Amino acid sequence: NAGVMQNPRHLVRRRGQEARLRCSPMKGHSHVYWYRQLPEEGLKFMVYLQKENIIDESGMPKERFSAEFPKEGPSILRIQQVVRGDSAAYFCASSTAVNTEAFFGQGTRLTVV
Amino acid sequence: KQEVTQIPAALSVPEGENLVLNCSFTDSAIYNLQWFRQDPGKGLTSLLLIQSSQREQTSGRLNASLDKSSGRSTLYIAASQPGDSATYLCAVLGTGNQFYFGTGTSLTVIP
Repeated sequence: NAGVMQNPRHLVRRRGQEARLRCSPMKGHSHVYWYRQLPEEGLKFMVYLQKENIIDESGMPKERFSAEFPKEGPSILRIQQVVRGDSAAYFCASSTAVNTEAFFGQGTRLTVV
Repeated sequence: KQEVTQIPAALSVPEGENLVLNCSFTDSAIYNLQWFRQDPGKGLTSLLLIQSSQREQTSGRLNASLDKSSGRSTLYIAASQPGDSATYLCAVLGTGNQFYFGTGTSLTVIP
């Protein structure tokens, strides 16, 4: 059973471009979470999704950021018109249900130049 | 709002020593608490999960305790090894179904 898979591992974008980060949860997991780790800071919650539904997006910036978890395929975190301050490590986690053990992926390190 | 604090921020010990990492949280209304390990430039590896109704969990040389009423958890590492060097993160799962993370304890085990 493969773990949580994130790709790409590293992503470089110029200011103003779009960044798409993908997360494939562990097999059998229908709950996906996205977290952001800024340099020298702790991980911060962004969004919690179940298949085809956004359950909690209270940690998502109001503009430029969106997330989806379609019926088929990976969860996508999309950042439009990236700025330097978006440079961070973005981690995805999955679980089988609410309040169960969460497993994290290796992260996508986004660098905006 | 839940706040999670980890003390110390950094710790350096000689190989073979037993050590304790501390985690405190402000809101005792949690579902569970999870300890993770993060190696530089890597993802998070789950070490131990303690449900809110439990007092402790053990896995190999690791033992985690939880005192929900006082808002504290400890991670005990026995007979430390250089391979234990990493950042250890404490995370509490609150009623909002989101983890609140501490900023971690950076552990260095000296051979």
